[in-house]
Amino acid sequence: AQKVTQAQTEISVVEKEDVTLDCVYETRDTTYYLFWYKQPPSGELVFLIRRNSFDEQNEISGRYSWNFQKSTSSFNFTITASQVVDSAVYFCALSGGPGLYNQGGKLIFGQGTELSVKP
Amino acid sequence: DARVTQTPRHKVTEMGQEVTMRCQPILGHNTVFWYRQTMMQGLELLAYFRNRAPLDDSGMPKDRFSAEMPDATLATLKIQPSEPRDSAVYFCASGDQSGTVSYEQYFGPGTRLTVT
Repeated sequence: AQKVTQAQTEISVVEKEDVTLDCVYETRDTTYYLFWYKQPPSGELVFLIRRNSFDEQNEISGRYSWNFQKSTSSFNFTITASQVVDSAVYFCALSGGPGLYNQGGKLIFGQGTELSVKP
Repeated sequence: DARVTQTPRHKVTEMGQEVTMRCQPILGHNTVFWYRQTMMQGLELLAYFRNRAPLDDSGMPKDRFSAEMPDATLATLKIQPSEPRDSAVYFCASGDQSGTVSYEQYFGPGTRLTVT
């Protein structure tokens, strides 16, 4: 069975602090994809990043960085120098491989981490 | 800037009434997903389509929910009869699942359903 665990329900930081959101996943697939989405107070889900299981390179995009480690089944997300606009719920998600009938693609979401950045 | 659109954005209805939610996926995307978000269950997949064919609807209560894709530009999710426990935000998402690769999904703004 596939599962995504985001153990941190809520995190509160002060602006300019660095913060790391943890994500641990379970899957038996050898090919899989990992995602992070942001859900600001307005409610929409915004895509942030996608990683496939064969690419363990860390990625940096501005103040955002992601650390993918297959050995620990983790895909953690770090925000450097946090800002008030980063306040949102962040979801980690897993998508399995294509399967026998190419039916892959559906997302299994973690429960989300609510990040509050205070000025 | 292509986006997934959903209508209505908000819906309040009484128990027993029929509810229809509509989604227009991003042009060119071949896969459309319906997700539901509640406080208790979080985000969960209800059903999805690839090239308009249903692939998996195991997440839906079959007796009252139905999902269709009458053409490539429209997906519908219908609840009949609606119940208070169906109150949730329903998201439509679309993506391009080409071959054996899963690409990112883009979500619509959601339909907030309240059943009284």
